[in-house]
Amino acid sequence: DAGVIQSPRHEVTEMGQEVTLRCKPISGHNSLFWYRQTMMRGLELLIYFNNNVPIDDSGMPEDRFSAKMPNASFSTLKIQPSEPRDSAVYFCASSWTGVGTEAFFGQGTRLTVV
Amino acid sequence: DAKTTQPPSMDCAEGRAANLPCNHSTISGNEYVYWYRQIHSQGPQYIIHGLKNNETNEMASLIITEDRKSSTLILPHATLRDTAVYYCIVRVVNRDDKIIFGKGTRLHILP
Repeated sequence: DAGVIQSPRHEVTEMGQEVTLRCKPISGHNSLFWYRQTMMRGLELLIYFNNNVPIDDSGMPEDRFSAKMPNASFSTLKIQPSEPRDSAVYFCASSWTGVGTEAFFGQGTRLTVV
Repeated sequence: DAKTTQPPSMDCAEGRAANLPCNHSTISGNEYVYWYRQIHSQGPQYIIHGLKNNETNEMASLIITEDRKSSTLILPHATLRDTAVYYCIVRVVNRDDKIIFGKGTRLHILP
């Protein structure tokens, strides 16, 4: 398995534009996590899906952020409209829900909003 | 909020054992202790986890105190490639198994 695949790896966009980040979890995993990392705030959990259903989105900063998981092999995180303070590295992770399981992380998408 | 406390940074000489402490005094009976690390510019990487027994794998050993209020991650022979931020996490592994990261320990391996 190629692991968790995120695209794009880098994204530069202008303030006000819509940004869509993509994630393909590891096949067979049924939990998916979106994180945001900045120097100031560290690694923040944005949203967590289990069996394609959003379980906890309390970390989503505001209505400009939305996430979907239409099937077990694909998820998107959308920011509309984007703002400079959204600049960060966004990580996706997946795991199999169960006792003593581990989560695997993608390489991240570095987003810069100018 | 993270339920763990770790020192912000540590140094270790190359070839020596690196011992990273973690306090989790409010841990519940159904929470595991997990360790991840993040090498610069990469996604976090799983290292090891345990419930109450000591654990060892090819990467590290995990020592959990009998009262489970603290633990130590041991890298037996640290190399320069072990320079990273190490995160200690407590996690209930069931349907609501969120992974919440704290600030971690920045480990510097000195040549």
